Amino acid sequence: DAKTTQPPSMDCAEGRAANLPCNHSTISGNEYVYWYRQIHSQGPQYIIHGLKNNETNEMASLIITEDRKSSTLILPHATLRDTAVYYCIVRVEVRGNTPLVFGKGTRLSVIA
Amino acid sequence: KAGVTQTPRYLIKTRGQQVTLSCSPISGHRSVSWYQQTPGQGLQFLFEYFSETQRNKGNFPGRFSGRQFSNSRSEMNVSTLELGDSALYLCASSLDRGRGQPQHFGDGTRLSIL
Repeated sequence: DAKTTQPPSMDCAEGRAANLPCNHSTISGNEYVYWYRQIHSQGPQYIIHGLKNNETNEMASLIITEDRKSSTLILPHATLRDTAVYYCIVRVEVRGNTPLVFGKGTRLSVIA
Repeated sequence: KAGVTQTPRYLIKTRGQQVTLSCSPISGHRSVSWYQQTPGQGLQFLFEYFSETQRNKGNFPGRFSGRQFSNSRSEMNVSTLELGDSALYLCASSLDRGRGQPQHFGDGTRLSIL
């Protein structure tokens, strides 16, 4: 699986949009970008995933650049409950269920 | 819809003992994966089960094993526990083994070895 690079930490003011970047310059054509987050003492929570088109759901938006070498997760109106470690994962999609490979992620702190 | 349920939430064991952890996937999900999370190594994949068969295995010693039942519920077992096995053990389920299937995690079992 391609490796990802994320900033170790970010701050965001409550109520503002949180934009979390991820670099995956070696991504290949059959690899999806997944985002998870982990709040202290809980299991990772699935947020969103995409292949090449931008995606949006009730939690967040995922913007993938045209060359697919980077992406941004957007939390439109961050709240204190969004404070967590966010993981960007590139996962090859072939027949079968490939394991998720977690890096160190970005620790997002939402500040009141 | 209930999420992934793991029991017990906390467990304390001593070196040399064995332990069994349980996972009930989301209703209708047939694939179950197990991960270990430690402060030093982060989240690491243990194994995946589908249709009662192990489909993928991570780089862990044979002391770590698992199984899946016909109702998709899964258990993992660790024998001859070592201090280094202290970790948060996470179970994740997905609908099947098709492409683009996200895995959904439980809140884990925190295992402490004394």
